Amino acid sequence: ETGVTQSPTHLIKTRGQQVTLRCSSQSGHNTVSWYQQALGQGPQFIFQYYREEENGRGNFPPRFSGLQFPNYSSELNVNALELDDSALYLCASSLGPQGRRGNTIYFGEGSWLTVV
Amino acid sequence: KQEVTQIPAALSVPEGENLVLNCSFTDSAIYNLQWFRQDPGKGLTSLLLIQSSQREQTSGRLNASLDKSSGRSTLYIAASQPGDSATYLCAARPGGSYIPTFGRGTSLIVHP
Repeated sequence: ETGVTQSPTHLIKTRGQQVTLRCSSQSGHNTVSWYQQALGQGPQFIFQYYREEENGRGNFPPRFSGLQFPNYSSELNVNALELDDSALYLCASSLGPQGRRGNTIYFGEGSWLTVV
Repeated sequence: KQEVTQIPAALSVPEGENLVLNCSFTDSAIYNLQWFRQDPGKGLTSLLLIQSSQREQTSGRLNASLDKSSGRSTLYIAASQPGDSATYLCAARPGGSYIPTFGRGTSLIVHP
């Protein structure tokens, strides 16, 4: 067990709706990253938060947004949901931005989102 | 743009075999490379992290090697067990970037 917890574990939304996914990082970790993993694919980096500020973003549209709170927990918000947003959303925490040497990433169990 | 390829995509072996999983990356200027295990419908578990200055890392029955010049990493699993059945993913982190690139993974089944 990594100590990274995500909620909810599963949810179903209708196209056009909005969704918020939550993540609590491992104790002592100040960096949270979010990934989208479609079925049969590797995880795709969405963005990273370090000390409450976004400091890296992958190739995702602005309707994917996030927050990091003072306790380093984080939210991922997706607006105007599309069918292709159906995927496993993974949160990962680390001590410091992931570019630093020796930084192992610890993943949560993920949130399964189905858009119908 | 970094691209990561994992071969084979799927592998089924009898218990006890020694295995080699391959990961290749197009940009050799990586910061580190990490191997993960993913059980069906679950998150990723970190197995081994190799820094760019290192050649290999070992943990129990697992050994990962890194050859930056050829853009390759291998994960060696000794004496495979049914409990090793999972998808194994590698992720290459480019130098100076926070954005890791994952491969699609190798789906491993070890049957008794």
